[in-house]
Amino acid sequence: EGQLVESGGKLVQPGGSLRLSCAASGFTFSYFAMSWVRQAPGKGLEWVSAISGRADTTYYTDSVRGRFTISRDNSKNTLYLHMNSLRAEDTAVYYCAKPSRGWLTFDVWGHGTTVTVSS
Amino acid sequence: QSVLTQPPSVSAAPGQKVIISCSGSSSNIGKNYVSWYQQIPGTAPKLLIYDNNMRPSGIPDRFSGSKSGTSATLGITGLQTGDEADYYCGTWDSSLSGGVFGGGTKLTVL
Repeated sequence: EGQLVESGGKLVQPGGSLRLSCAASGFTFSYFAMSWVRQAPGKGLEWVSAISGRADTTYYTDSVRGRFTISRDNSKNTLYLHMNSLRAEDTAVYYCAKPSRGWLTFDVWGHGTTVTVSS
Repeated sequence: QSVLTQPPSVSAAPGQKVIISCSGSSSNIGKNYVSWYQQIPGTAPKLLIYDNNMRPSGIPDRFSGSKSGTSATLGITGLQTGDEADYYCGTWDSSLSGGVFGGGTKLTVL
């Protein structure tokens, strides 16, 4: 079924930048679109971004478009989220997630990495 | 304000049945498959239902899903204390070109 391990989350000042990584194993990474989903403290799930298996198609939620960039390196089985111009409202646990098929049926989730944006 | 609308909370006694609703629109639930996730606080979400009414292997048949028009429901029968968790519906929104989740429903087994 697979395993996902996120890393890169930390405390960062407003306006700062950060890169999250998600290492995948146990499945053919390049076959699947991948997504980032976040969860602010005490709040629900929010889909953030998705990228196709060949990295030729990307999608973003409106609140991060133009500030975040999703990418992947299929040779390293790794998904990335490059985050710029960070705001307090970006504070959340960030999960990477693999769909069983299509874009949004997530059958494998990472444990999450915490991003805190605060001065 | 989530694109998909769920009740904030539901409750029922052990052994009873509960239904959680998820309301959307023609661009999301009306056009795409719905998934349901269970999240125990402090842990990652877990897929319960996909393609509206399909269960992944290992999910007991106490959990069921259905969809009609622009709404979906998750049913849980034979409630157990271990079912206490937050439940989320999710789907793709063809107008937004992005994923959407409901705000989540907290299930309490009294």
